[in-house]
Amino acid sequence: GQNIDQPTEMTATEGAIVQINCTYQTSGFNGLFWYQQHAGEAPTFLSYNVLDGLEEKGRFSSFLSRSKGYSYLLLKELQMKDSASYLCVLPGYKLSFGAGTTVTVRA
Amino acid sequence: EAQVTQNPRYLITVTGKKLTVTCSQNMNHEYMSWYRQDPGLGLRQIYYSMNVEVTDKGDVPEGYKVSRKEKRNFPLILESPSPNQTSLYFCASSLSGGNYGYTFGSGTRLTVV
Repeated sequence: GQNIDQPTEMTATEGAIVQINCTYQTSGFNGLFWYQQHAGEAPTFLSYNVLDGLEEKGRFSSFLSRSKGYSYLLLKELQMKDSASYLCVLPGYKLSFGAGTTVTVRA
Repeated sequence: EAQVTQNPRYLITVTGKKLTVTCSQNMNHEYMSWYRQDPGLGLRQIYYSMNVEVTDKGDVPEGYKVSRKEKRNFPLILESPSPNQTSLYFCASSLSGGNYGYTFGSGTRLTVV
């Protein structure tokens, strides 16, 4: 089976940095996705990590440590439009989602 | 434009009246799946399909049916909807599941009264 844990909520100020942690347990690792979901909308792809280390993509970066079963998503230079839920996802035919971390960006 | 199209976007129905939510993708993806999203519970998989005529249960299949007669279409059928199936539903597709990214439809908000 698969298990994913991530914090429920985080709040940060516009322009700041926020780090969303995700710990997971899985019997077969095939990489880890991060998706962004605005309220009532479809999830959209942010990043995919399959090897250990940091992947940087503009203001968003994602880190993976397979030995620790740990990943984080780093959001830099926060903007109001980054207020959303961020989902840690283990791929597979039976796709597993974390419950999501709701990030609220305040002016 | 590559996309997953779900219809309808909003639906209000009565208990016991059969309904179908359609899902279609134009990317020639082999893998398609359905999810429901409820407050505090996140996204939970209902059914998935690895290819035409190949489907399997996800985590919450009770009360739902699916079919995959063509590669592009994967409808979700509620034979006798009940109020506990009131939820936000998403369809998604992927090249072959596994470690390929997933493209989601815009969602269907279903209310069963």
